[in-house]
Amino acid sequence: DIQMTQSPSSLSASVGDRVTITCRASQGISNSLAWYQQKPGKAPKLLLSAASRLETGVPSRFSGSGSGTDYTLTISSLQPEDFATYYCQQSYSTPRTFGQGTKVEIK
Amino acid sequence: QVQLVQSGAEVKKPGASVKVSCKTSGYTFTRYGITWVRQVPGQGLEWMGWISGHNGITNIAQKFQGRVTMTTDTSTSTAYMELRSLRSDNTAVYYCARDSRSGTYYGVFDYWGQGTLVTVSS
Repeated sequence: DIQMTQSPSSLSASVGDRVTITCRASQGISNSLAWYQQKPGKAPKLLLSAASRLETGVPSRFSGSGSGTDYTLTISSLQPEDFATYYCQQSYSTPRTFGQGTKVEIK
Repeated sequence: QVQLVQSGAEVKKPGASVKVSCKTSGYTFTRYGITWVRQVPGQGLEWMGWISGHNGITNIAQKFQGRVTMTTDTSTSTAYMELRSLRSDNTAVYYCARDSRSGTYYGVFDYWGQGTLVTVSS
């Protein structure tokens, strides 16, 4: 199984801050990486797929990059509605695996 | 619009079974696969398996093989996930989610159900 490791596990940030979350795969996944946002009591929401493709309706302040084993989710200017937990997930092989999550909290 | 609506919360005793439904609408059911993901309260997301909406072929995570059955009813555009021999550590929210690409086993999930809380307690 491919292990997905996110860092940090949590972070505190202020509105307007630039936030970066990293996801590392235990082996190369050829950009087969998705990012999800989850708010308490809600289902996850797909933000990006194929490492950098923004889903329809997702604000452009979200972006993704990376290659090989290392990937990044960046929020260019954190907004109040962005406080949530973010998960990466590889779609390269089965079983699909998720990172452990990064909780973005208000500073 | 695409919607996935899951059945309501369940409380089960250890050793029992639970069957969660996921009724879909707003798209052609047979063109997309459905994945099941679970989330233990306060923890992360865990992929359980996938079922084709076209032919019912499944791919179930090894840790759930033998205890999980995934099925579909194309006449009602509904997917089902049955988990048997429940244990207390199976208490979780179970989600269904749709593959984001039609006709292929893509592994990215664009629409999700609201989740079904299954509580296992004696």
